Amino acid sequence: EAGVTQSPRYAVLQEGQAVSFWCDPISGHDTLYWYQQPRDQGPQLLVYFRDEAVIDNSQLPSDRFSAVRPKGTNSTLKIQSAKQGDTATYLCASSPGGAGTGQLYFGEGSKLTVL
Amino acid sequence: QQKVQQSPESLSVPEGGMASFNCTSSDRNFQYFWWYRQHSGEGPKALMSIFSDGDKKEGRFTAHLNKASLHVSLHIRDSQPSDSALYFCAASDTGNYKYVFGAGTRLKVIA
Repeated sequence: EAGVTQSPRYAVLQEGQAVSFWCDPISGHDTLYWYQQPRDQGPQLLVYFRDEAVIDNSQLPSDRFSAVRPKGTNSTLKIQSAKQGDTATYLCASSPGGAGTGQLYFGEGSKLTVL
Repeated sequence: QQKVQQSPESLSVPEGGMASFNCTSSDRNFQYFWWYRQHSGEGPKALMSIFSDGDKKEGRFTAHLNKASLHVSLHIRDSQPSDSALYFCAASDTGNYKYVFGAGTRLKVIA
């Protein structure tokens, strides 16, 4: 069974540039999460979806961040006008559901460096 | 305020020794616990979950949960160099599928 796939693995930007991260969850997983993980810190929840619906995006740092999951499968996280403080690894995870009792399956992450 | 607190920040144990990690939730809505491990350059991988009071053992790993205090611990016996990694505690809110992670504990197993 294929795992969670993320791309690109690495991105290096100048401040002010935009970047999009793509996530393909495990087939059949209806819940999808985006986390931000600064270096040597714990993952911090940004947004999560159940099917195509946003359940909670209140943790997105600013309106420069947006996320969509239009068909309830793949998802894209976009950062507009990136800042140095956005430097982090962006992790996507999916879960088969289970109302908080299901395991999260993570991708390898997309490491962003903003110069 | 961080809902999930972990300690210690880092830990070194000799090969074959016992590694112990602690975690506390500050929000009673978050009372289902998970332990994840992350090796460098990889995403976190689930080790085990614990939802009920008491102990849960899976191989070399034992978790203990006290629901009254919302405190969970993880113990690794016979630690191996391959266990060197970041260990995260995560707590979930069963009402809305939300999972919150702690800041992590870095384990180094010395051969």
